[in-house]
Amino acid sequence: NAGVTQTPKFQVLKTGQSMTLQCAQDMNHEYMSWYRQDPGMGLRLIHYSVGAGITDQGEVPNGYNVSRSTTEDFPLRLLSAAPSQTSVYFCASSDFLEQYFGPGTRLTVT
Amino acid sequence: SQQGEEDPQALSIQEGENATMNCSYKTSINNLQWYRQNSGRGLVHLILIRSNEREKHSGRLRVTLDTSKKSSSLLITASRAADTASYFCATDPDSNYQLIWGAGTKLIIKP
Repeated sequence: NAGVTQTPKFQVLKTGQSMTLQCAQDMNHEYMSWYRQDPGMGLRLIHYSVGAGITDQGEVPNGYNVSRSTTEDFPLRLLSAAPSQTSVYFCASSDFLEQYFGPGTRLTVT
Repeated sequence: SQQGEEDPQALSIQEGENATMNCSYKTSINNLQWYRQNSGRGLVHLILIRSNEREKHSGRLRVTLDTSKKSSSLLITASRAADTASYFCATDPDSNYQLIWGAGTKLIIKP
């Protein structure tokens, strides 16, 4: 099993650009989530999904969209990138107990 | 908002010594989990302790939970260089699987 995969690993965007961070899992988990991690802070939940076709907002959803058309994939879209979105983004899936994390995407917005 | 707060923020010890990290939280919980993050990597689950449990062991890890004090501790015995990482606690307060994370303890093991 590959577990949770994320692409790209690194990305630089200019303010106002849009992009999609990809996340896929092969563990057949219903629950998936997106976090951002900023220096000196814990993870903050952006959006989550409890199954295909179901998504909901987390703590910091503004500026991000998600969709869940399949169990495996949970892409995160940045609509119009801002410097405040410079962060490391982690996707995770869960068996409703522990969470399994991808390797992260380091995003810089200039 | 952060539910858990780890203490200390950073800890540096000699290889072979024991490392203790603490986590405090604010609301009642269903379970508390500890994760490890190596530099530049994703988080890895270490151990989960349920609200009706007081202590749990996994290899060199020992976790305690005191729900009356809303606190947990993670003890790593006989530390190794490979234990150098950041350690995070996460709580599940509502059984809706949305974990709430602390800011982490950065552990450095000196050879």
